Amino acid sequence: NAGVTQTPKFQVLKTGQSMTLQCAQDMNHEYMSWYRQDPGMGLRLIHYSVGAGITDQGEVPNGYNVSRSTTEDFPLRLLSAAPSQTSVYFCASTPGQGNYGYTFGSGTRLTVV
Amino acid sequence: QQQVKQSPQSLIVQKGGISIINCAYENTAFDYFPWYQQFPGKGPALLIAIRPDVSEKKEGRFTISFNKSAKQFSLHIMDSQPGDSATYFCAASMSGATNKLIFGTGTLLAVQP
Repeated sequence: NAGVTQTPKFQVLKTGQSMTLQCAQDMNHEYMSWYRQDPGMGLRLIHYSVGAGITDQGEVPNGYNVSRSTTEDFPLRLLSAAPSQTSVYFCASTPGQGNYGYTFGSGTRLTVV
Repeated sequence: QQQVKQSPQSLIVQKGGISIINCAYENTAFDYFPWYQQFPGKGPALLIAIRPDVSEKKEGRFTISFNKSAKQFSLHIMDSQPGDSATYFCAASMSGATNKLIFGTGTLLAVQP
């Protein structure tokens, strides 16, 4: 099992560009989430999904879109990149309802110039 | 209501000492309290977790103490080792339809040899 796989690991974007951060898991987990990590602010939830076709907003959703067409994949789209979106992005998954730990990917470090 | 407050921001402990990190929450609907450990360049990894029906959980050198009435929980690392040097995050979630995980702001632990 690869767990949660994120690509790319590093990315530099110019302001206004768009891109998609990829996330895939092979554990048949129902729930998936995207977090951003910034110094001194911990991990903040951007969007989450409780199953294929179902997504909802987290704490900081502005500027980001998600979709969940399959159980395995949960891509995060930046519509028009801004310097404030410079961050480390983590994708995570968990089996479903109930108290289970989340498994995190290794992250994507994004810089917007 | 959704916040999880974590302290201290950083902590320096001598090898063999006890590291203590504290967290407080407001939402009494939270029913799952995990701790995550993150090494530089890696994603967070589940370390230990507790449910509010117990006051303490121990796994090796790591112990969670939970005070439901005070809405506080803490991580104790006994016999701290240089290999424990990492960032630690507390978190909280509500089991149920969304199972969203809300994180504290993190504590950078340095264990000096």
